[in-house]
Amino acid sequence: KAGVTQTPRYLIKTRGQQVTLSCSPISGHRSVSWYQQTPGQGLQFLFEYFSETQRNKGNFPGRFSGRQFSNSRSEMNVSTLELGDSALYLCASSSGQGEGYTFGSGTRLTVV
Amino acid sequence: AQSVTQLDSQVPVFEEAPVELRCNYSSSVSVYLFWYVQYPNQGLQLLLKYLSGSTLVKGINGFEAEFNKSQTSFHLRKPSVHISDTAEYFCAVSEPYSGGGADGLTFGKGTHLIIQP
Repeated sequence: KAGVTQTPRYLIKTRGQQVTLSCSPISGHRSVSWYQQTPGQGLQFLFEYFSETQRNKGNFPGRFSGRQFSNSRSEMNVSTLELGDSALYLCASSSGQGEGYTFGSGTRLTVV
Repeated sequence: AQSVTQLDSQVPVFEEAPVELRCNYSSSVSVYLFWYVQYPNQGLQLLLKYLSGSTLVKGINGFEAEFNKSQTSFHLRKPSVHISDTAEYFCAVSEPYSGGGADGLTFGKGTHLIIQP
């Protein structure tokens, strides 16, 4: 069974640009969530999708958005990038409540 | 809203010694509890999870954890550590979601386990 696939693995962007990150969940998993990991703030929850609906959102500005497609694949978008958005962005998928999430290897975003 | 506290940011242990990584949580409802491990430049790998039932949970790589509801704790233990256990360990909690699917995870700040030869 293929794992959670995130693309790209590394990304360098300039302040003010926008970026789109992609996540393909494990086949059959309908829940996808996104997390931001930084040395200072640790792992922070961004949002969670189930069957194309955003059910939960973390405490991030509106520049951070996401969506989920009918095949459960998900994208997250960050507009007007700031230096502080530099982080490892992790996507995770789950088959249901309490099953835990399987994480991808992440996308390392560097904003210069 | 739930929260997770990992009391130690760093734990140095000698190889083959036992280790305990501490985790406390707070939540107004019943929760699911997880431990994840992260090796350098990688994503997170699930070590074990507690959903219900037996309070002692066994996971991969010889790790186990004990759920203590009265103390709202979920400490991770291993009787004998190996150099390869050097990694960052995260405790996480999620709340049951009545609408189906799964809820997001709230993580602790992580504990860096350092195995000394």
